[in-house]
Amino acid sequence: GAGVSQSPSNKVTEKGKDVELRCDPISGHTALYWYRQSLGQGLEFLIYFQGNSAPDKSGLPSDRFSAERTGGSVSTLTIQRTQQEDSAVYLCASSLEQGEKLFFGSGTQLSVL
Amino acid sequence: AQSVTQLDSQVPVFEEAPVELRCNYSSSVSVYLFWYVQYPNQGLQLLLKYLSGSTLVKGINGFEAEFNKSQTSFHLRKPSVHISDTAEYFCAVSGQGAQKLVFGQGTRLTINP
Repeated sequence: GAGVSQSPSNKVTEKGKDVELRCDPISGHTALYWYRQSLGQGLEFLIYFQGNSAPDKSGLPSDRFSAERTGGSVSTLTIQRTQQEDSAVYLCASSLEQGEKLFFGSGTQLSVL
Repeated sequence: AQSVTQLDSQVPVFEEAPVELRCNYSSSVSVYLFWYVQYPNQGLQLLLKYLSGSTLVKGINGFEAEFNKSQTSFHLRKPSVHISDTAEYFCAVSGQGAQKLVFGQGTRLTINP
């Protein structure tokens, strides 16, 4: 595709439910990131996939968060038993390789009621 | 691990005045440094990056930044700002060698007429 695609663009869920957020990176990009953006909190790093290497999961805030990247392309971020503090914009970004600029998706606005 | 500190959460300046947005980083290895900009209701886009070579880096829209290894800084400057520069600016760092990209908290630049 022309850019990084994220779906859904908006997700409203009830506290305690599980949610899945999807990211389609630019074809051929080996690096894929998930970030969380909250008001006044900047961009919080969540997880980083680079080629076939083991992902860097050091930013995941709790074991309720997990992510996978299938076939080196599409990635899914899963949040189990959502809490109100999980409400934020979840951004996906990809780059051709490390050191190259990131292309960001439009994000998924997650609201946990 | 790398970390980034943006010392100012908000910077108000008058139109046509110069501006400097401060960024300091921490890393035990050599780094790549970036500035990204997020205009209102838009996604993040790359302003400029430092990978190696000349420590003075020029980016889009008249911005430049200088890498200072001894002070572990990468401050962003523009000699004369315009109303259209109103945005949030993010400094980011990654360690060389397939390491994650970490962002600062962001600096909101507001231009007053």
